[in-house]
Amino acid sequence: AQKITQTQPGMFVQEKEAVTLDCTYDTSDPSYGLFWYKQPSSGEMIFLIYQGSYDQQNATEGRYSLNFQKARKSANLVISASQLGDSAMYFCAMRLSGGYNKLIFGAGTRLAVHP
Amino acid sequence: GAGVSQSPRYKVAKRGQDVALRCDPISGHVSLFWYQQALGQGPEFLTYFQNEAQLDKSGLPSDRFFAERPEGSVSTLKIQRTQQEDSAVYLCASSGGGGGETQYFGPGTRLLVL
Repeated sequence: AQKITQTQPGMFVQEKEAVTLDCTYDTSDPSYGLFWYKQPSSGEMIFLIYQGSYDQQNATEGRYSLNFQKARKSANLVISASQLGDSAMYFCAMRLSGGYNKLIFGAGTRLAVHP
Repeated sequence: GAGVSQSPRYKVAKRGQDVALRCDPISGHVSLFWYQQALGQGPEFLTYFQNEAQLDKSGLPSDRFFAERPEGSVSTLKIQRTQQEDSAVYLCASSGGGGGETQYFGPGTRLLVL
């Protein structure tokens, strides 16, 4: 069964420090994509970063990087130099090559950045 | 507009009422998705359109849920005879082509059924 697991319901971090949000996935499909989205209290899902299953290098986007370990089926998000505005829900999602590209989401991790 | 827009942002309905939720995707985007997000959970897929064709409606929870995109741009999600369990945030997303591009989400419509 295709599934995304986020085991950390809540995390907190001090401002300016780095934080890692965990994500593991389950699929037998060899071709898939992994996404991280941020959802502030306003409700909108904001795209952060993408990793394809065949990508050789870990994806990076500014302060966001994705620690992709294919053999472990994990795709952890690393946020460096945390800012107060990073406080939000973070969702890991998987897109399969079939199934018309719908996304399967995890339950999310709530991140609180403390000054 | 630059992003995906949805209206209304909030909707309160009495049990048994019909509601219609609107999504305006990013201009030119071929693919449009609807998701349902219950409180404290991640979004769950409802249905997918490629232009005006509804190619996947496997996530619609019952025949009370109906979606359309008649001209391949704006989409409407209709819920008939609303029930309390329909209370959720309904998110719309669009992506550029028919392939695996990134989906960009709207702000959602928060539906409360009393």
